[in-house]
Amino acid sequence: NAGVTQTPKFRVLKTGQSMTLLCAQDMNHEYMYWYRQDPGMGLRLIHYSVGEGTTAKGEVPDGYNVSRLKKQNFLLGLESAAPSQTSVYFCASSYSTGTGENIQYFGAGTRLSVL
Amino acid sequence: KNQVEQSPQSLIILEGKNCTLQCNYTVSPFSNLRWYKQDTGRGPVSLTIMTFSENTKSNGRYTATLDADTKQSSLHITASQLSDSASYICVVSPNTGGFKTIFGAGTRLFVKA
Repeated sequence: NAGVTQTPKFRVLKTGQSMTLLCAQDMNHEYMYWYRQDPGMGLRLIHYSVGEGTTAKGEVPDGYNVSRLKKQNFLLGLESAAPSQTSVYFCASSYSTGTGENIQYFGAGTRLSVL
Repeated sequence: KNQVEQSPQSLIILEGKNCTLQCNYTVSPFSNLRWYKQDTGRGPVSLTIMTFSENTKSNGRYTATLDADTKQSSLHITASQLSDSASYICVVSPNTGGFKTIFGAGTRLFVKA
């Protein structure tokens, strides 16, 4: 049981390049999320998904797209990378306990630098 | 605006000592408040979760308290160990449904031998 796995762990892009970050979870969780973490700030939600085939915008969705074609995978795409997207990206998945607790499990993160 | 503010930003303590981290929030009403531990280079891991009606929750040497009247929470670490060196993040979920959670910026704890 690997939990939440993110690939790649590190990536350096040039401005304007595109890339896809992959998140995979083996816990059969319905909900999946993409966050970014910047120095001095809390994690901010980019996009999330409440089930296979569905996605929704979070707090900072501009410049990113996502897809959830399979329940276990959640992809984050950058179509034209900008230096402002330099950050550490975390994927998380969760299940609902029925009491609204929605406990999230995080991957180890992807460190992205855009030059 | 819903906010979660943590203090101090960073803290250095000696191994074996106790410490308390603070979290003030303006989110109201809220569904639950969580504390996460984030080791360097890793993702956050849940330590405790409390609903608005709970006052305290323990997880080993970690004890979280919640005062819903003053909108404050604290995380107390007892008999610190070197492995406690990490960032501790306070997270509040508004009681508005959906999946909005508001993360504090975290407190960076350094435990020295």
